[in-house]
Amino acid sequence: GENVEQHPSTLSVQEGDSAVIKCTYSDSASNYFPWYKQELGKGPQLIIDIRSNVGEKKDQRIAVTLNKTAKHFSLHITETQPEDSAVYFCAAKLGGTSYGKLTFGQGTILTVHP
Amino acid sequence: NAGVTQTPKFRVLKTGQSMTLLCAQDMNHEYMYWYRQDPGMGLRLIHYSVGEGTTAKGEVPDGYNVSRLKKQNFLLGLESAAPSQTSVYFCASSYSELASWDEQFFGPGTRLTVL
Repeated sequence: GENVEQHPSTLSVQEGDSAVIKCTYSDSASNYFPWYKQELGKGPQLIIDIRSNVGEKKDQRIAVTLNKTAKHFSLHITETQPEDSAVYFCAAKLGGTSYGKLTFGQGTILTVHP
Repeated sequence: NAGVTQTPKFRVLKTGQSMTLLCAQDMNHEYMYWYRQDPGMGLRLIHYSVGEGTTAKGEVPDGYNVSRLKKQNFLLGLESAAPSQTSVYFCASSYSELASWDEQFFGPGTRLTVL
């Protein structure tokens, strides 16, 4: 099955700096890569996603890049703010009839210091 | 819309006790999922359902059972709880793949402690 590795496990930045979280996946048949943000005491919430036919996607201060050849994808957050502090998860979904099943990375605890 | 709701929010069990976690969604989603979240391990899929009356095993199904008698509800059961099942449990739902939308919507979670 699919395996997703996520790094780093913790990331600490100053407000206004950029943050980058990286994930690698094992199955080249994966075609959908979402990123979820989980705030304390809440369930994960989708913040951005990318499909395998796209190399980069941006939404205001966040962006995701995908390198299919190397089988890795990254989340970029620019001009970080304290409210960006949360746990971030990457995930991958196999193509075909996978019934929407996602394989998640281990998570990154992002702390943005004011 | 309430989205995805879970009950209870917290529960403490003794080893060997049983309980059922309830998940409900009001978005008319076909697919529903149960995950467990443990420190440093991300979210791992326990069981899932692709429609009313169907269930299937995920990555870590042992010790759990599920039922989907109604489209909007997905129940997770622990027949004989063990300390290794101490975790935070999340339910999620999504449209079927026919809709070409992949986003999974998560509930707020249930924190379960087994003593």
